[in-house]
Amino acid sequence: AQSVTQLDSQVPVFEEAPVELRCNYSSSVSVYLFWYVQYPNQGLQLLLKYLSGSTLVKGINGFEAEFNKSQTSFHLRKPSVHISDTAEYFCAVSNTGGFKTIFGAGTRLFVKA
Amino acid sequence: NAGVTQTPKFRVLKTGQSMTLLCAQDMNHEYMYWYRQDPGMGLRLIHYSVGEGTTAKGEVPDGYNVSRLKKQNFLLGLESAAPSQTSVYFCASSYAGPYYEQYFGPGTRLTVT
Repeated sequence: AQSVTQLDSQVPVFEEAPVELRCNYSSSVSVYLFWYVQYPNQGLQLLLKYLSGSTLVKGINGFEAEFNKSQTSFHLRKPSVHISDTAEYFCAVSNTGGFKTIFGAGTRLFVKA
Repeated sequence: NAGVTQTPKFRVLKTGQSMTLLCAQDMNHEYMYWYRQDPGMGLRLIHYSVGEGTTAKGEVPDGYNVSRLKKQNFLLGLESAAPSQTSVYFCASSYAGPYYEQYFGPGTRLTVT
């Protein structure tokens, strides 16, 4: 069975500082990996995804993530955050042969001025 | 192009009452999903559909029923609401299987008293 663990429930950071949101997964088969963002009182929207190929994936709003198969991780990074990045971030994993996507519990990023 | 819409946005039910949540998408997507979001638990899949006329159970299907009579609509029913079903419900759709990103609706906040 698949599972996703987001290692931090909350991450406070100052504006213009770098940030890393950590995600580990477990699966016995090949996976697709996603990061979604949820702004207050909205649905989720896709930030980036890893399907295959290059392990460094770039997404919207300056975010990027690196797929590490040996560590079973897919950490999300941004070199300099803005106040507008304050949101909840969800890591998600799908089996290549399955129908469903499993979401992590979420990490709340709070950017302070 | 409205994307994914959900009706209603808010609802308060008394224990034992029934209701139906409507999800509609105008992107001609095959797959549709119902999730519930509870604090600290991320999104949990209730039911999903891989095409018109088909439905399947997700992680937490008990107490819910679904129907997909038309490709663009996915209905979630609560036959006898319980306080444990107080949650935010999200509908999502995707072009096909887990390779593709999911598009989310704005959510329905349900309170059962």
